[in-house]
Amino acid sequence: DVKVTQSSRYLVKRTGEKVFLECVQDMDHENMFWYRQDPGLGLRLIYFSYDVKMKEKGDIPEGYSVSREKKERFSLILESASTNQTSMYLCASLPAGGAAGYTFGSGTRLTVV
Amino acid sequence: GENVEQHPSTLSVQEGDSAVIKCTYSDSASNYFPWYKQELGKRPQLIIDIRSNVGEKKDQRIAVTLNKTAKHFSLHITETQPEDSAVYFCAAREGGTSYGKLTFGQGTILTVHP
Repeated sequence: DVKVTQSSRYLVKRTGEKVFLECVQDMDHENMFWYRQDPGLGLRLIYFSYDVKMKEKGDIPEGYSVSREKKERFSLILESASTNQTSMYLCASLPAGGAAGYTFGSGTRLTVV
Repeated sequence: GENVEQHPSTLSVQEGDSAVIKCTYSDSASNYFPWYKQELGKRPQLIIDIRSNVGEKKDQRIAVTLNKTAKHFSLHITETQPEDSAVYFCAAREGGTSYGKLTFGQGTILTVHP
C-alpha cells in the first residue's frame, strides 16, 4: 500500500517566517505534487516534480518554491509566509506514465498569523 | 491549460435517494477523469475513474459517465447512505505528457440525511 507522509498535521507560523512542508513517499514514484485546498476553490496545483531535481510550476506558484533532492522527498517552501497562505496543503504522488489516480498525503493545515 | 467546473457546490439528499454531480472540462485532449471522496479531516481517496475511450463505468452504487463531445462527465451515486456524506472532487488529466498533472473541480459537499 502506497504511503505518502506529510511531516506535520497542523502548523502555526508567523508572517514573514520561512516555512518548510515536507512530503515523503515510499513507493518509488517519479511524480510528486503540491496542492493547496481552500473551500469553494477545490485543489489548486502549486508545483510538481517529475524527477529528482526537476520541478515545474503549477497554477499558483507565486510565493512558493520547492525542492526535490531525493526521489522520495518533495518539499514545499514558503519563502516569507503571509496570511493569505493560510490553507490546507496536500502532497500527492504518482508513478511514471500517470496511468492511475494520485495517492494523497494526510495534509498539513497551515495557519499564518 | 485545463479548466474544470463542478456543480453543484452543495447537495443534500435523503438516504436512499440518488445523487448526481456534474463536471465540465475545457481541454479536448484531456484523457483521464478521476473522482475523489474526502471525508471530514481525511485525505482525498480515489473512488472511481474513467478514461476517454470509455463512455460509462460502474462500481456497485457508483457510476461515472463521460460525454467527450460535450466535454462533461458526471458522478452518479445510487441508494445513498449517510456514510456517503463527504466532499467530492472531479478532476481531469491533460493528454500529451506522462507527468499526470490533474486539474480539479471546486468540490461538492454531499450531505445524506438519515
